[in-house]
Amino acid sequence: AQSVTQLDSHVSVSEGTPVLLRCNYSSSYSPSLFWYVQHPNKGLQLLLKYTSAATLVKGINGFEAEFKKSETSFHLTKPSAHMSDAAEYFCVVSGTGFQKLVFGTGTRLLVSP
Amino acid sequence: DAGVIQSPRHEVTEMGQEVTLRCKPISGHDYLFWYRQTMMRGLELLIYFNNNVPIDDSGMPEDRFSAKMPNASFSTLKIQPSEPRDSAVYFCASSADSREQYFGPGTRLTVT
Repeated sequence: AQSVTQLDSHVSVSEGTPVLLRCNYSSSYSPSLFWYVQHPNKGLQLLLKYTSAATLVKGINGFEAEFKKSETSFHLTKPSAHMSDAAEYFCVVSGTGFQKLVFGTGTRLLVSP
Repeated sequence: DAGVIQSPRHEVTEMGQEVTLRCKPISGHDYLFWYRQTMMRGLELLIYFNNNVPIDDSGMPEDRFSAKMPNASFSTLKIQPSEPRDSAVYFCASSADSREQYFGPGTRLTVT
């Protein structure tokens, strides 16, 4: 079965400093991986996706993630945090049959001035 | 495109009442998903449709929950009778290729 583990429930950074949100995955086959963001009282928005093409994936709002098969990781990074980045971030893997998404437990990113 | 549309955005009801949540997917998308989000269990897939046909309802918690998709532009999730433990945010999502899903803003359900 496919699963993801988000290693931090909360991450706090200062505005202008780098962001690192960690995600490890488990999959019995070559996975599709996603990062979604959820701002307070909003729906989920796709940040980026990996579907077996380039291992470094660039997304919206300056975020990127690198697929590392040897480490079974898909960490999300951003060089410089902005106050508007404060939100909940979900690492997601496609489940069996590809249609089913399996969500991590989420990481809440806090950005201080 | 207006994106996935859900209604109502907020619903407060009493235990035992019937609740109907509605979803309009993005035009042209042939997959539709219903999710539930709670603090305790996170995001859970309840059911999904392909071309209006239910494909997997293994996530539906019990017989009190039912979902329909009478046509390509409309789906409902019904809870009858509702219970306080059903309080959650319910999301609808749609997809054209079954991998990248677009989520609606959600319906916050409170059952008292």
